Amino acid sequence: NAGVTQTPKFQVLKTGQSMTLQCAQDMNHEYMSWYRQDPGMGLRLIHYSVGAGITDQGEVPNGYNVSRSTTEDFPLRLLSAAPSQTSVYFCASSYRDRGDEQYFGPGTRLTVT
Amino acid sequence: AQSVTQPDIHITVSEGASLELRCNYSYGATPYLFWYVQSPGQGLQLLLKYFSGDTLVQGIKGFEAEFKRSQSSFNLRKPSVHWSDAAEYFCAVGASGGSYIPTFGRGTSLIVHP
Repeated sequence: NAGVTQTPKFQVLKTGQSMTLQCAQDMNHEYMSWYRQDPGMGLRLIHYSVGAGITDQGEVPNGYNVSRSTTEDFPLRLLSAAPSQTSVYFCASSYRDRGDEQYFGPGTRLTVT
Repeated sequence: AQSVTQPDIHITVSEGASLELRCNYSYGATPYLFWYVQSPGQGLQLLLKYFSGDTLVQGIKGFEAEFKRSQSSFNLRKPSVHWSDAAEYFCAVGASGGSYIPTFGRGTSLIVHP
């Protein structure tokens, strides 16, 4: 199993550009989520999904869109990049149980200039 | 809503010394509690988790954590720290409601001196 994969590993965008961060998992997990990590702020939840076709907002959803058309994939779209979106983005997945651990991808480091 | 507080932003210890990282949570029911570790440039990896039963939980890499309901705490400990333990450590509490997505603390950065 590859686990949770994320692409790209690094990305530089100009303000106003759009892009999609890719996330895929091969563990047949129902739950998938996106976090951003900023110094001193820990992990903050952007969006999450409890199954194909079902998504919901987390703590910091503004400026981001998600969709979940398959169990395996959960892309994160930046609609119009802003410098405030410079961060490290992590995708995670888990089974449908609040006691189950989350499996994290290696992260995408995004810089918006 | 649940919340997690990690009061120490940075902790510095000497190699071979004991370690305790603090975690306090706020949750209305019996919590599901986790500790994750993030090595530099990596994603997060689960160290250990607590659901119920024995309040002292053993994890990987020689770590353990103790759940204390009366103090709303879930502190992480290791009797002898190795240089490779230098990393960011996150405490998390299992979500209430239907989302089941955990809430993470802000993390504690562990620095290990030789």
